[in-house]
Amino acid sequence: SQQGEEDPQALSIQEGENATMNCSYKTSINNLQWYRQNSGRGLVHLILIRSNEREKHSGRLRVTLDTSKKSSSLLITASRAADTASYFCATDASRSNYKLTFGKGTLLTVNP
Amino acid sequence: NAGVMQNPRHLVRRRGQEARLRCSPMKGHSHVYWYRQLPEEGLKFMVYLQKENIIDESGMPKERFSAEFPKEGPSILRIQQVVRGDSAAYFCASSPGQAQLNTEAFFGQGTRLTVV
Repeated sequence: SQQGEEDPQALSIQEGENATMNCSYKTSINNLQWYRQNSGRGLVHLILIRSNEREKHSGRLRVTLDTSKKSSSLLITASRAADTASYFCATDASRSNYKLTFGKGTLLTVNP
Repeated sequence: NAGVMQNPRHLVRRRGQEARLRCSPMKGHSHVYWYRQLPEEGLKFMVYLQKENIIDESGMPKERFSAEFPKEGPSILRIQQVVRGDSAAYFCASSPGQAQLNTEAFFGQGTRLTVV
């Protein structure tokens, strides 16, 4: 069964708007990470949030984690065309903390 | 400090040929992980290796796929007798030790395998 699942599958917004992506998972985790992938390129690590943290900020990124609901959200504020990419959440299960489980991703398109 | 280096970036193979994908971890990293990404999917864990040891290969197909991380040189993911369904992007990640709590794994740019 899918551990991480992003929602929505695709999101299209205008430059300057905020973008919110959600991720749900099924089992207990140690950490949850968000990655960005530009079309046909590699993964760029954005932010890691620990299971005992509730919120984390990095520049224009804000990540929340609700372990009771087994969900996380990624907020990108004041979006730019360069933010256009696929965004993935990845979790590592408590027993196998080296094995990341990725969702299918949210494709974000930021229109100029 | 170079990141995780994968080569080749693109690889085209005919059905039945062998594909060899290479991954050089970041300097000082002794743990390597291979993931596969099918079109429009997320990454799926394949195998976790330390130098000269396979720690977890639970995500590897039972046949035709093998991986190694020798004492010297890069980690190699080998796919024998490739089929069209093997077409995917293969990513390698590395970490300094077994990915501990609160540490990230660094990913390479991937090798895109196309089987024709």
